[in-house]
Amino acid sequence: QKEVEQNSGPLSVPEGAIASLNCTYSDRGSQSFFWYRQYSGKSPELIMFIYSNGDKEDGRFTAQLNKASQYVSLLIRDSQPSDSATYLCAVRVEGQNFVFGPGTRLSVLP
Amino acid sequence: SAVISQKPSRDICQRGTSLTIQCQVDSQVTMMFWYRQQPGQSLTLIATANQGSEATYESGFVIDKFPISRPNLTFSTLTVSNMSPEDSSIYLCSVEGDRLLYGYTFGSGTRLTVV
Repeated sequence: QKEVEQNSGPLSVPEGAIASLNCTYSDRGSQSFFWYRQYSGKSPELIMFIYSNGDKEDGRFTAQLNKASQYVSLLIRDSQPSDSATYLCAVRVEGQNFVFGPGTRLSVLP
Repeated sequence: SAVISQKPSRDICQRGTSLTIQCQVDSQVTMMFWYRQQPGQSLTLIATANQGSEATYESGFVIDKFPISRPNLTFSTLTVSNMSPEDSSIYLCSVEGDRLLYGYTFGSGTRLTVV
């Protein structure tokens, strides 16, 4: 059974702080890793993907991958109230379907 | 990335009836995926729909309950049959990104309430 785990939250951070979202996965064959943002009542929106160990930065977002530890994280710098949403981690083995985590609800407090 | 139009956006249905959800993509795609998201939960894959072949269903989902059509490379439908209140969920279609291994793009979703 392939599993992707996330803390359900809510994770509350003050505006301007760094929000750190974590995700662990069970399948060592996983090759690609994705972070989706889902606002309440909306569909998921892809914000980051990462394939290689290390960090990948895109604007205020940084994805970090450590395949040895089976761990992927998302850092959001200078958090804004508009970042308040549920963040879904998704993991994929090549040729297979995505496995989504349960999501972490982030609340950025003004 | 692909633009997906999904309809209806929401519906309230009587138990025992069926609802067909439509998903239209603005470009040709090989695979389309149907997901369910129950209240407060993450995404669960129902089935994968390839054009010209039977849909592939995940464990716990059967064709009689969730028949899927895929008549061409830009369109698919999911029917929720003989509905019960437990079928109340958001149903989402999605497609592969523009390049292999890119993430899925999701439609806007159908919020279904069964009463």
